[in-house]
Amino acid sequence: RKEVEQDPGPFNVPEGATVAFNCTYSNSASQSFFWYRQDCRKEPKLLMSVYSSGNEDGRFTAQLNRASQYISLLIRDSKLSDSATYLCVVNRNSGAGSYQLTFGKGTKLSVIP
Amino acid sequence: EPEVTQTPSHQVTQMGQEVILRCVPISNHLYFYWYRQILGQKVEFLVSFYNNEISEKSEIFDDQFSVERPDGSNFTLKIRSTKLEDSAMYFCASSDTGVGNEKLFFGSGTQLSVL
Repeated sequence: RKEVEQDPGPFNVPEGATVAFNCTYSNSASQSFFWYRQDCRKEPKLLMSVYSSGNEDGRFTAQLNRASQYISLLIRDSKLSDSATYLCVVNRNSGAGSYQLTFGKGTKLSVIP
Repeated sequence: EPEVTQTPSHQVTQMGQEVILRCVPISNHLYFYWYRQILGQKVEFLVSFYNNEISEKSEIFDDQFSVERPDGSNFTLKIRSTKLEDSAMYFCASSDTGVGNEKLFFGSGTQLSVL
């Protein structure tokens, strides 16, 4: 089983749509969870951390289910500028200085006018 | 926002040659990392570095790879004898405390092409 698994997409949605991405991770000892965004041939950029209680940042809502080892990201009212690849990322955090992020392969989103 | 700077942005080399990829982490950060991404693949961890030594390394980071912090600002990744499969985008990153949910800052990457 892959360490971090995501639906590769692509997801093609019209502007204004709501879109949801799912992710599963295999290592139950994982400590920290994130969604990153990556534009074509650019560096990953942190979109948001994911907390057990769920968290929201504007149009973006992230959820974590530790029992199911499942992470989700919901984007409401999609904008053209949301077009990117969304990376589910997990940190095993085995000790200080061990920010060893494990990335999923990403889900590509295209928002269409 | 502070930035991690990487040079060069593109590097073309012949198989078997040595390359050095350079990074300037954010000035007050203490933890430094290299990740790589082969075209069309996921971002993969290579190595973490703290207090002038390697903290952790992945299976990818074999004897052909080395890292160094030669002065107070630069952090380098050296590949001794490049192979075709080393062609990838290499990202440097840095963080302040290296734990928990702290944000990791990535540089814009060096695209390495081995011919």
